Amino acid sequence: DAGVIQSPRHEVTEMGQEVTLRCKPISGHDYLFWYRQTMMRGLELLIYFNNNVPIDDSGMPEDRFSAKMPNASFSTLKIQPSEPRDSAVYFCASSFWGGGTGELFFGEGSRLTVL
Amino acid sequence: KNQVEQSPQSLIILEGKNCTLQCNYTVSPFSNLRWYKQDTGRGPVSLTIMTFSENTKSNGRYTATLDADTKQSSLHITASQLSDSASYICVVSRGNKLVFGAGTILRVKS
Repeated sequence: DAGVIQSPRHEVTEMGQEVTLRCKPISGHDYLFWYRQTMMRGLELLIYFNNNVPIDDSGMPEDRFSAKMPNASFSTLKIQPSEPRDSAVYFCASSFWGGGTGELFFGEGSRLTVL
Repeated sequence: KNQVEQSPQSLIILEGKNCTLQCNYTVSPFSNLRWYKQDTGRGPVSLTIMTFSENTKSNGRYTATLDADTKQSSLHITASQLSDSASYICVVSRGNKLVFGAGTILRVKS
């Protein structure tokens, strides 16, 4: 398997623009997670899905962030409008079991810079 | 408060030397403890997962220990290599939630 695939790897945009990050989980994994990593706060869970259904979105910073999982092999994280404080590395991860039990497999991340 | 604290924050060692990274947690209830390695510019990769009943687990030159009574874990790296230079993140599972440590940045010098 190719692992968790994320795109784009790097994104530079201007404040106010819409940003869409994409993720393809490992085939057969029922759980998908979106994390954000910054130097100040480390890794933070934004939202996770089980069988394409959002289970916990309490980590989503505000209404500017939204995530969807239209099918088992694709998820998006959208920021609209983007702000400089959104600059971070966004990771997608997938798991066969729930996040507390099963091993998490992370993608390579999408580095977002908002100017 | 559910926290995971790692020490040291950063560490520099010479190639071939051993080192030990520490992780203390206050997470409750506890399900399992994981160590991840994150190379610069890459995603974290799992090294070990230990449940409450396990107190030692090895993965090649990496050996993790867990003392569930004192809520402490350590990651020992033997005969370090340049490729061990990375951030090492301790993660404690609390039910379906993961609590992440801030990581220890290890640099191995030749």
